[in-house]
Amino acid sequence: AQTVTQSQPEMSVQEAETVTLSCTYDTSESDYYLFWYKQPPSRQMILVIRQEAYKQQNATENRFSVNFQKAAKSFSLKISDSQLGDAAMYFCAYRAQGGSEKLVFGKGTKLTVNP
Amino acid sequence: DVKVTQSSRYLVKRTGEKVFLECVQDMDHENMFWYRQDPGLGLRLIYFSYDVKMKEKGDIPEGYSVSREKKERFSLILESASTNQTSMYLCASSPIGQDEKLFFGSGTQLSVL
Repeated sequence: AQTVTQSQPEMSVQEAETVTLSCTYDTSESDYYLFWYKQPPSRQMILVIRQEAYKQQNATENRFSVNFQKAAKSFSLKISDSQLGDAAMYFCAYRAQGGSEKLVFGKGTKLTVNP
Repeated sequence: DVKVTQSSRYLVKRTGEKVFLECVQDMDHENMFWYRQDPGLGLRLIYFSYDVKMKEKGDIPEGYSVSREKKERFSLILESASTNQTSMYLCASSPIGQDEKLFFGSGTQLSVL
């Protein structure tokens, strides 16, 4: 079974600084998708970024970028120029290609942004 | 805008009660999911459905059942609520083959006393 591990239960960053959240996963599949979701206190899960495993190029969305290392099964999220509104729980997730479209989530990292 | 609506934001029930959690989506999505979220455990999949009357067990289906009689509605049922089912329940929906369009509801915080 696929598993997703987020080794940092909590992280903090100063406003305007950069922070990296770690995620590793375990799978025997060669094709799959990886995601980072943000859950602010409102509880609404928001897709931050999505990566297709067959694409070597790292995905980027504005201040959010990933470092995808397929051989190492690592998928870290970098947040640049951190803002107070970035404070939230961040979840890494995995989905196998084909078959059911369910996501497997990590346990989450709580990010605090200090002014 | 896609909307996934969960009928209750907070719910308090007693042990042994039958509990219905309702989820409705308005974008004609085929896939619907029920997740449970607990601190330190992340989100765990309870059940999902990819079509009307179709359902599949997720990772933690014990103590739960689901119903999908209409495409837009996916109900989670706790046949006999227990205190260990106190949790946040999140519903989500997506079109088939478009997981980038997975949308979540705002969650139901269920307390079983």
